[in-house]
Amino acid sequence: SQQGEEDPQALSIQEGENATMNCSYKTSINNLQWYRQNSGRGLVHLILIRSNEREKHSGRLRVTLDTSKKSSSLLITASRAADTASYFCATDAPNYGQNFVFGPGTRLSVLP
Amino acid sequence: DTAVSQTPKYLVTQMGNDKSIKCEQNLGHDTMYWYKQDSKKFLKIMFSYNNKELIINETVPNRFSPKSPDKAHLNLHINSLELGDSAVYFCASSRPGQVNTEAFFGQGTRLTVV
Repeated sequence: SQQGEEDPQALSIQEGENATMNCSYKTSINNLQWYRQNSGRGLVHLILIRSNEREKHSGRLRVTLDTSKKSSSLLITASRAADTASYFCATDAPNYGQNFVFGPGTRLSVLP
Repeated sequence: DTAVSQTPKYLVTQMGNDKSIKCEQNLGHDTMYWYKQDSKKFLKIMFSYNNKELIINETVPNRFSPKSPDKAHLNLHINSLELGDSAVYFCASSRPGQVNTEAFFGQGTRLTVV
């Protein structure tokens, strides 16, 4: 079964608004990563947060990690139409070896 | 230069045929992967190779056989294609031995079996 589960499955917002996506996972992890996939393209790495970190920022991205709840959130501030994509969380779990286990993704639509 | 490249980008073929998808990475990574993304966008690991050796083989039919001639290449050969094999297949690579490392993905190969 999937290690990560994103929520919501789909999100539609207006340009300029903030978008928040959540991810839950099941086992202990080394780190949690967020990836972005534009339609018809491969996945692009956005940000990685280690299991001993609680919050991380990168530009308009803010990621939090709560290992006690086995959950993470990705916040995109001041969204743009170009942020329209699917966003996936992936965990690198010790018992999976060198393997990234992905959730089903959140489809974000940013309307101009 | 493209870091992880896959060919072909699109593949349409009939049931029962045998086909291959090629993947090459120029990042100097030792670990390469094949993922399958179905119509609902679920990404599932199929295989993982580290320095040409298989380290993960999820429950994938024997019709799928990965081949790694060297650590920069991981090709996927599929025998006796079935309708259910239609999906987008992604190759990826990462640097092993580092706990906190990211995966680099190719652009995907959209396989359609008719």
